[in-house]
Amino acid sequence: NAGVTQTPKFRVLKTGQSMTLLCAQDMNHEYMYWYRQDPGMGLRLIHYSVGEGTTAKGEVPDGYNVSRLKKQNFLLGLESAAPSQTSVYFCASRSRGAPSPQHFGDGTRLSIL
Amino acid sequence: AQSVSQHNHHVILSEAASLELGCNYSYGGTVNLFWYVQYPGQHLQLLLKYFSGDPLVKGIKGFEAEFIKSKFSFNLRKPSVQWSDTAEYFCAVNLGSGGYQKVTFGTGTKLQVIP
Repeated sequence: NAGVTQTPKFRVLKTGQSMTLLCAQDMNHEYMYWYRQDPGMGLRLIHYSVGEGTTAKGEVPDGYNVSRLKKQNFLLGLESAAPSQTSVYFCASRSRGAPSPQHFGDGTRLSIL
Repeated sequence: AQSVSQHNHHVILSEAASLELGCNYSYGGTVNLFWYVQYPGQHLQLLLKYFSGDPLVKGIKGFEAEFIKSKFSFNLRKPSVQWSDTAEYFCAVNLGSGGYQKVTFGTGTKLQVIP
């Protein structure tokens, strides 16, 4: 089925470890987003991309890096994980004409010990 | 900067009760407004959206929302809730006229419907 696929779905890291979350979409969408969802804080935008090869900072970019080398993939990296980055991460995408994210992935639950 | 407030953090209703969830935004210009729903263990889904025109917007599953510009509000309503409506609901806003890049979400309202 068409949509947004996130891998992995769950991960436990130790403080200081690094990892990359992968988001893939097969709808040829130009825009892709990474959000984190924390209790009582809703969704907060980490980084976003308006097209292949371009990325931009959102509301809470510190401690994260992203890359959009291919249009269908948007990678979120944690170089040195911290307990404050324990969260559920959602990727989303939309087409150029849509005013808001249309499709969300199922989320990645990340715990940093 | 735009912001969105959802004052009800947790709402508990019995089946068949009427629902109204509040949403207020803080930007004075042209805005696009959205309601998303997140069922337990699932990702967010778009429930309804407002761009312009009729301020009463109808969405999926019997939900509707009314845009009241003078009150900066976009409240979500449903006349009669069902147990299957148990979910978390998020209001969101972005700037109109090309400001589509950033969508700001509210903190969410958890709705629990009791059979």
